[in-house]
Amino acid sequence: AQSVAQPEDQVNVAEGNPLTVKCTYSVSGNPYLFWYVQYPNRGLQFLLKYITGDNLVKGSYGFEAEFNKSQTSFHLKKPSALVSDSALYFCAVSHTGGFKTIFGAGTRLFVKA
Amino acid sequence: GAVVSQHPSWVICKSGTSVKIECRSLDFQATTMFWYRQFPKQSLMLMATSNEGSKATYEQGVEKDKFLINHASLTLSTLTVTSAHPEDSSFYICSARSTSGGALGETQYFGPGTRLLVL
Repeated sequence: AQSVAQPEDQVNVAEGNPLTVKCTYSVSGNPYLFWYVQYPNRGLQFLLKYITGDNLVKGSYGFEAEFNKSQTSFHLKKPSALVSDSALYFCAVSHTGGFKTIFGAGTRLFVKA
Repeated sequence: GAVVSQHPSWVICKSGTSVKIECRSLDFQATTMFWYRQFPKQSLMLMATSNEGSKATYEQGVEKDKFLINHASLTLSTLTVTSAHPEDSSFYICSARSTSGGALGETQYFGPGTRLLVL
Protein backbone atom coordinates (compact mmCIF):
# COMPACT_ATOMS: atom_id res chain seq x y z
CA ALA A 1 0.00 0.00 0.00
CA GLN A 2 1.19 3.47 -0.73
CA SER A 3 1.71 6.00 2.02
CA VAL A 4 3.33 9.34 2.64
CA ALA A 5 4.62 10.80 5.88
CA GLN A 6 5.34 14.35 6.87
CA PRO A 7 7.09 13.96 10.22
CA GLU A 8 6.81 17.60 11.27
CA ASP A 9 3.50 19.19 12.16
CA GLN A 10 5.11 22.61 12.09
CA VAL A 11 8.29 24.21 10.88
CA ASN A 12 9.47 27.60 12.06
CA VAL A 13 12.07 29.57 10.17
CA ALA A 14 13.28 33.16 10.10
CA GLU A 15 12.81 35.19 6.95
CA GLY A 16 15.84 34.95 4.72
CA ASN A 17 16.94 31.61 6.10
CA PRO A 18 16.71 28.39 4.12
CA LEU A 19 13.73 26.17 4.79
CA THR A 20 13.14 22.44 4.51
CA VAL A 21 9.84 20.62 4.82
CA LYS A 22 10.31 16.87 5.05
CA CYS A 23 8.45 14.11 3.27
CA THR A 24 9.01 10.38 3.04
CA TYR A 25 6.97 7.92 1.03
CA SER A 26 6.27 4.26 0.49
CA VAL A 27 4.99 2.97 -2.83
CA SER A 28 5.41 -0.09 -4.96
CA GLY A 29 6.92 0.69 -8.29
CA ASN A 30 8.03 4.09 -9.48
CA PRO A 31 6.51 7.00 -7.58
CA TYR A 32 4.98 10.22 -8.71
CA LEU A 33 5.67 12.78 -5.99
CA PHE A 34 4.00 16.14 -5.52
CA TRP A 35 4.09 19.18 -3.30
CA TYR A 36 1.09 21.42 -2.83
CA VAL A 37 0.61 24.56 -0.75
CA GLN A 38 -2.61 25.68 0.90
CA TYR A 39 -3.33 29.18 2.13
CA PRO A 40 -6.14 29.77 4.65
CA ASN A 41 -9.61 29.01 3.32
CA ARG A 42 -8.25 28.16 -0.09
CA GLY A 43 -7.77 25.05 -2.16
CA LEU A 44 -4.39 23.50 -2.80
CA GLN A 45 -1.97 25.03 -5.25
CA PHE A 46 0.42 22.83 -7.17
CA LEU A 47 4.08 23.63 -6.48
CA LEU A 48 6.11 20.94 -8.18
CA LYS A 49 6.28 17.27 -8.99
CA TYR A 50 8.75 14.50 -9.69
CA ILE A 51 7.89 11.96 -12.35
CA THR A 52 11.23 10.92 -13.79
CA GLY A 53 14.56 12.43 -14.77
CA ASP A 54 16.61 14.81 -12.66
CA ASN A 55 16.31 14.20 -8.96
CA LEU A 56 16.24 17.94 -8.24
CA VAL A 57 12.95 19.43 -9.27
CA LYS A 58 12.36 23.17 -9.43
CA GLY A 59 8.89 24.55 -8.99
CA SER A 60 6.86 27.67 -8.36
CA TYR A 61 7.83 30.56 -6.08
CA GLY A 62 11.47 29.47 -5.83
CA PHE A 63 10.73 26.12 -4.25
CA GLU A 64 12.57 22.97 -5.16
CA ALA A 65 12.54 19.38 -4.00
CA GLU A 66 15.00 16.55 -4.21
CA PHE A 67 13.96 13.01 -4.93
CA ASN A 68 16.10 10.53 -3.01
CA LYS A 69 15.26 6.99 -3.95
CA SER A 70 17.50 5.30 -1.40
CA GLN A 71 15.98 7.28 1.44
CA THR A 72 12.50 7.31 -0.12
CA SER A 73 12.31 11.02 0.54
CA PHE A 74 11.14 14.09 -1.32
CA HIS A 75 11.95 17.06 0.91
CA LEU A 76 10.79 20.52 -0.09
CA LYS A 77 13.35 23.29 0.09
CA LYS A 78 13.80 26.98 -0.52
CA PRO A 79 17.10 28.84 -0.18
CA SER A 80 15.62 31.99 1.36
CA ALA A 81 12.24 31.98 3.08
CA LEU A 82 9.70 34.77 2.80
CA VAL A 83 7.00 35.68 5.30
CA SER A 84 4.51 35.10 2.50
CA ASP A 85 5.63 31.46 2.33
CA SER A 86 3.80 30.84 5.60
CA ALA A 87 1.13 28.28 4.76
CA LEU A 88 0.22 24.61 4.99
CA TYR A 89 2.27 22.31 2.79
CA PHE A 90 1.19 18.89 1.61
CA CYS A 91 3.32 16.16 0.13
CA ALA A 92 1.54 13.60 -2.04
CA VAL A 93 2.39 10.36 -3.80
CA SER A 94 0.88 8.22 -6.49
CA HIS A 95 2.26 5.86 -9.07
CA THR A 96 1.75 5.06 -12.70
CA GLY A 97 -1.52 3.76 -13.96
CA GLY A 98 -3.85 6.43 -12.66
CA PHE A 99 -3.99 5.26 -9.08
CA LYS A 100 -5.30 7.73 -6.57
CA THR A 101 -3.01 10.21 -4.92
CA ILE A 102 -2.32 9.92 -1.21
CA PHE A 103 -1.69 13.09 0.76
CA GLY A 104 0.42 13.55 3.83
CA ALA A 105 -0.97 15.10 6.97
CA GLY A 106 0.47 18.48 6.10
CA THR A 107 3.19 20.64 7.62
CA ARG A 108 2.47 24.15 8.73
CA LEU A 109 5.28 26.54 7.88
CA PHE A 110 5.72 29.73 9.85
CA VAL A 111 8.20 32.28 8.55
CA LYS A 112 8.96 35.04 11.03
CA ALA A 113 10.09 38.48 9.93
CA GLY B 1 -1.41 26.11 -15.40
CA ALA B 2 -4.73 24.36 -15.35
CA VAL B 3 -7.59 26.08 -13.55
CA VAL B 4 -10.36 24.47 -11.56
CA SER B 5 -13.27 26.47 -10.24
CA GLN B 6 -15.78 25.66 -7.53
CA HIS B 7 -19.14 27.20 -6.89
CA PRO B 8 -20.29 28.36 -4.47
CA SER B 9 -17.26 29.36 -2.42
CA TRP B 10 -19.33 29.26 0.73
CA VAL B 11 -22.86 28.29 1.63
CA ILE B 12 -25.02 28.37 4.74
CA CYS B 13 -28.08 26.16 4.81
CA LYS B 14 -30.67 24.85 7.19
CA SER B 15 -30.54 21.33 8.51
CA GLY B 16 -32.46 18.95 6.28
CA THR B 17 -31.93 20.82 3.04
CA SER B 18 -29.72 19.74 0.14
CA VAL B 19 -26.74 21.63 -1.19
CA LYS B 20 -25.11 21.28 -4.60
CA ILE B 21 -21.47 22.15 -5.20
CA GLU B 22 -20.09 22.47 -8.72
CA CYS B 23 -16.55 21.76 -9.81
CA ARG B 24 -15.39 22.83 -13.25
CA SER B 25 -12.13 22.45 -15.12
CA LEU B 26 -11.87 25.68 -17.06
CA ASP B 27 -9.10 25.15 -19.58
CA PHE B 28 -8.65 21.40 -19.79
CA GLN B 29 -10.67 18.24 -19.98
CA ALA B 30 -10.73 16.05 -16.93
CA THR B 31 -11.66 12.40 -17.14
CA THR B 32 -11.27 12.12 -13.41
CA MET B 33 -12.36 14.45 -10.65
CA PHE B 34 -11.91 13.94 -6.94
CA TRP B 35 -13.92 15.21 -4.01
CA TYR B 36 -12.22 15.80 -0.69
CA ARG B 37 -13.34 16.92 2.70
CA GLN B 38 -11.03 18.81 4.99
CA PHE B 39 -11.55 19.38 8.68
CA PRO B 40 -9.81 22.24 10.47
CA LYS B 41 -6.06 21.76 10.72
CA GLN B 42 -6.27 18.34 9.10
CA SER B 43 -5.30 16.81 5.81
CA LEU B 44 -7.60 16.10 2.94
CA MET B 45 -9.90 13.13 3.23
CA LEU B 46 -10.76 11.62 -0.13
CA MET B 47 -14.50 11.09 -0.35
CA ALA B 48 -14.92 9.80 -3.87
CA THR B 49 -13.42 9.57 -7.30
CA SER B 50 -15.61 10.70 -10.14
CA ASN B 51 -15.11 9.49 -13.68
CA GLU B 52 -16.93 11.12 -16.56
CA GLY B 53 -19.85 9.04 -17.73
CA SER B 54 -19.68 6.43 -15.00
CA LYS B 55 -20.65 6.02 -11.38
CA ALA B 56 -18.43 7.54 -8.76
CA THR B 57 -16.25 5.36 -6.59
CA TYR B 58 -16.73 6.15 -2.93
CA GLU B 59 -14.18 5.66 -0.20
CA GLN B 60 -14.95 3.43 2.71
CA GLY B 61 -17.22 5.09 5.22
CA VAL B 62 -18.60 7.69 2.83
CA GLU B 63 -22.35 7.37 2.27
CA LYS B 64 -23.06 7.46 -1.43
CA ASP B 65 -26.73 8.22 -0.89
CA LYS B 66 -25.85 11.24 1.20
CA PHE B 67 -23.09 12.59 -0.99
CA LEU B 68 -24.36 12.34 -4.55
CA ILE B 69 -21.77 12.82 -7.24
CA ASN B 70 -22.47 13.40 -10.89
CA HIS B 71 -19.76 13.78 -13.52
CA ALA B 72 -21.84 14.76 -16.51
CA SER B 73 -19.10 16.03 -18.78
CA LEU B 74 -15.35 16.27 -19.10
CA THR B 75 -15.41 19.68 -17.44
CA LEU B 76 -18.09 19.41 -14.75
CA SER B 77 -18.66 17.34 -11.65
CA THR B 78 -21.19 18.08 -8.94
CA LEU B 79 -21.42 17.03 -5.32
CA THR B 80 -24.82 17.19 -3.68
CA VAL B 81 -25.01 16.93 0.08
CA THR B 82 -28.50 15.59 0.70
CA SER B 83 -30.47 16.24 3.88
CA ALA B 84 -27.55 18.13 5.34
CA HIS B 85 -26.91 18.09 9.07
CA PRO B 86 -24.59 20.21 11.21
CA GLU B 87 -21.98 17.43 11.23
CA ASP B 88 -21.71 17.83 7.44
CA SER B 89 -20.31 21.31 7.96
CA SER B 90 -16.85 21.28 6.48
CA PHE B 91 -14.55 22.53 3.74
CA TYR B 92 -15.13 20.58 0.54
CA ILE B 93 -12.46 20.63 -2.15
CA CYS B 94 -12.57 19.17 -5.63
CA SER B 95 -9.69 18.41 -7.90
CA ALA B 96 -9.39 17.38 -11.53
CA ARG B 97 -6.89 15.38 -13.45
CA SER B 98 -6.24 16.08 -17.09
CA THR B 99 -6.83 13.57 -19.82
CA SER B 100 -3.69 14.62 -21.59
CA GLY B 101 -0.48 12.75 -21.14
CA GLY B 102 2.95 14.15 -20.60
CA ALA B 103 3.55 16.77 -17.99
CA LEU B 104 -0.12 17.23 -17.18
CA GLY B 105 -0.94 13.59 -17.16
CA GLU B 106 -0.80 12.87 -13.47
CA THR B 107 -1.07 16.21 -11.73
CA GLN B 108 -4.25 17.03 -9.83
CA TYR B 109 -5.41 20.61 -9.97
CA PHE B 110 -7.54 21.80 -7.11
CA GLY B 111 -10.50 24.07 -6.85
CA PRO B 112 -10.54 26.84 -4.25
CA GLY B 113 -12.89 24.92 -1.99
CA THR B 114 -16.42 25.38 -0.70
CA ARG B 115 -17.11 26.04 2.93
CA LEU B 116 -20.42 24.55 4.02
CA LEU B 117 -22.13 25.54 7.25
CA VAL B 118 -25.28 23.68 8.20
CA LEU B 119 -27.36 25.32 10.90
